Amino acid sequence: GAVVSQHPSWVICKSGTSVKIECRSLDFQATTMFWYRQFPKQSLMLMATSNEGSKATYEQGVEKDKFLINHASLTLSTLTVTSAHPEDSSFYICSARWTGDYEQYFGPGTRLTVT
Amino acid sequence: GQNIDQPTEMTATEGAIVQINCTYQTSGFNGLFWYQQHAGEAPTFLSYNVLDGLEEKGRFSSFLSRSKGYSYLLLKELQMKDSASYLCAVLDSNYQLIWGAGTKLIIKP
Repeated sequence: GAVVSQHPSWVICKSGTSVKIECRSLDFQATTMFWYRQFPKQSLMLMATSNEGSKATYEQGVEKDKFLINHASLTLSTLTVTSAHPEDSSFYICSARWTGDYEQYFGPGTRLTVT
Repeated sequence: GQNIDQPTEMTATEGAIVQINCTYQTSGFNGLFWYQQHAGEAPTFLSYNVLDGLEEKGRFSSFLSRSKGYSYLLLKELQMKDSASYLCAVLDSNYQLIWGAGTKLIIKP
């Protein structure tokens, strides 16, 4: 149990375009979802935390107008990278947890390349 | 500030034992996690400690000392597939995970 999926697993887009990444909890209701970014050979960097039905809480230094997060249901959160630039190329990972369980269940990640 | 320290890289031999240390200074403590991450993949859960002591799970064990702000992950009978990064993460007073930078473990035959 506790499976989280992400789509797409990889995406290549042109500079200036937007790309949406979906994160779904397949067999549980995710009251909280997290979005991370990971650059090569670096650790996970938390971008934002979202609770279902509420606005996301962004970490310092993360532009909320550039990284739009929507957590409209208990099984789906989306991250939209708007006006992507090459420096946004990274590995984006979501995780989810339900109320009362503090373990985070990770999706397989999405590799974004902006050309 | 909040800080988690773990070695950047370690090397060990197949079949041997390795201990990866993690020290932390966080605002509050609600448990410590160890995750394994293979290159290009998402982290996978290994262990969770909230009480002092040793938790054993097969070839992997995790130890916690809250008074010392210290944990270690012990890997026995190392296999080549254990080559990965090992991430230490602490759940702080706000139940947010604070991540260490990870330890890259290289296993040599």
